[in-house]
Amino acid sequence: AQSVTQLGSHVSVSEGALVLLRCNYSSSVPPYLFWYVQYPNQGLQLLLKYTSAATLVKGINGFEAEFKKSETSFHLTKPSAHMSDAAEYFCAVRDSSASKIIFGSGTRLSIRP
Amino acid sequence: GAVVSQHPSWVICKSGTSVKIECRSLDFQATTMFWYRQFPKQSLMLMATSNEGSKATYEQGVEKDKFLINHASLTLSTLTVTSAHPEDSSFYICSASPKPGRTTEAFFGQGTRLTVV
Repeated sequence: AQSVTQLGSHVSVSEGALVLLRCNYSSSVPPYLFWYVQYPNQGLQLLLKYTSAATLVKGINGFEAEFKKSETSFHLTKPSAHMSDAAEYFCAVRDSSASKIIFGSGTRLSIRP
Repeated sequence: GAVVSQHPSWVICKSGTSVKIECRSLDFQATTMFWYRQFPKQSLMLMATSNEGSKATYEQGVEKDKFLINHASLTLSTLTVTSAHPEDSSFYICSASPKPGRTTEAFFGQGTRLTVV
C-alpha cells in the first residue's frame, strides 16, 4: 500500500530564506506524487505534480520539487520565502489515475518577518 | 483547470438530524469521487471512494450506515451524515477524478465545515 511521510509538522523560516519541506513516499509501483497547499478553512490547491516525466517539477508560486527514486523522496523547495507562503502543505501519493489519493500528515509553514 | 463545487460551504445542525453535502464536477465527468474528513490541524483522512452507479468503498473504521454516499451521476456525489452528533463536527472535502488516462490529478472542492450542536 502506498503512503507518504512528511518530516516536520512545523517549519519556520525567515522571509527571503530557502523553504524546504520534506516528503518521503512508499509505493509498490511507480507513483504519482503531488504537493498541495491549504489556507485556513479552505480546500486544497495543487502546487505541482510528478507523473514520471521530468524528475524536477516546477509548480506555481515559485515552488519546485525533485523526485529521487533512490531516496524515495519528493521534497518541496522554494528559493525565497514570501509572507504569503504561510500555510499548510500536504504531500500526497496515488498509484494510478483512478486510485485514491493518500495524504501525508502535513507541514505548517510559518514565515518570520 | 477543472472545477469541483461543494455545497454548502458551512452548515450548523442540531444533534440527531441528518445533513447532506453535495459535490459537483462542473466541467468534466467524474468517474470516481472521493470523500475526506479533516480534523483541526490534521491531515485529510479518506473516508470512502465512490464510482458512478456503484456502491461506495469505505475505508476501515468508517461507518457506512452513518456516512451515506451516493454517486448517482457522473457529475454529482452526495455525502449524508445521518443522525449527526457533535463528534461528527469536522471539515469534509470531496475530490473528483476524470476518466482514467485523461489526467493524473484529482480536483478538490472547497470543503464543508459541519458543526453539530
